[in-house]
Amino acid sequence: KNEVEQSPQNLTAQEGEFITINCSYSVGISALHWLQQHPGGGIVSLFMLSSGKKKHGRLIATINIQEKHSSLHITASHPRDSAVYICAVIEDSNYQLIWGAGTKLIIKP
Amino acid sequence: DVKVTQSSRYLVKRTGEKVFLECVQDMDHENMFWYRQDPGLGLRLIYFSYDVKMKEKGDIPEGYSVSREKKERFSLILESASTNQTSMYLCASSHFPGWGGYTFGSGTRLTVV
Repeated sequence: KNEVEQSPQNLTAQEGEFITINCSYSVGISALHWLQQHPGGGIVSLFMLSSGKKKHGRLIATINIQEKHSSLHITASHPRDSAVYICAVIEDSNYQLIWGAGTKLIIKP
Repeated sequence: DVKVTQSSRYLVKRTGEKVFLECVQDMDHENMFWYRQDPGLGLRLIYFSYDVKMKEKGDIPEGYSVSREKKERFSLILESASTNQTSMYLCASSHFPGWGGYTFGSGTRLTVV
C-alpha cells in the first residue's frame, strides 16, 4: 500500500464546476505540499501546509492532521486549470518527501 | 522571490553523451535533491546532498552521479546517457533537516535519442 494516496486518479469536469482532489497519507508528517504540473511538464509549487487552510486565488488547500488527509479545491474551474496535481508529504521521521501519484484534471469548456 | 532554477527546460541528447543537469538555489539551503518522474512510477529520488561535497544515494542512483562543489549548486551527471534515462528531472532544496518545507525547480524534460 502506498504511503500517500491521491484520489481520484483522473477527473474530468465542465468549466465552472467546483473541484476537489484528495490526498491521504499513512505516515507522520511535518508538512504537505501541493504542486501543479501542466501538460508541457513544468512544475509549480502551489501550497505548503502544516495545519488548517490556505487560499490563493481560486485555489484552496486544507489539511486535517488528525485524519491524515488534505484536500485541494478549485472554485469556478477553468480549462487552464487542466493539469496534474501532485501531493507530497514531508515524513517527520527523516524529513524526506513521499510523493503521491498525481491526479490528472481536465476541465472542458 | 526565492528560487530553485534548473538550467534547461527541455534538453535533447544523444545516446552515449555525457549530460549535466544543473540546479541552482538562492536560499542558502543545506539540502538539495534530484528526482525523476516517469509515467506510472511517479517521482523517485535519485540522489540528495546535505552539504557541500556530500552526497547520498536515493532510491534509483544507478546510471547517475552528482556533484556539489558549492552550496548553491547541485549537478546531476549522466556519464553515458541512455534512452531509458529519457524522463522529467526535478530539483528541490530545503533547509536542514527539512521539516520546514521544500522549494522546487520547474523541471527539465530530457530526451535521449
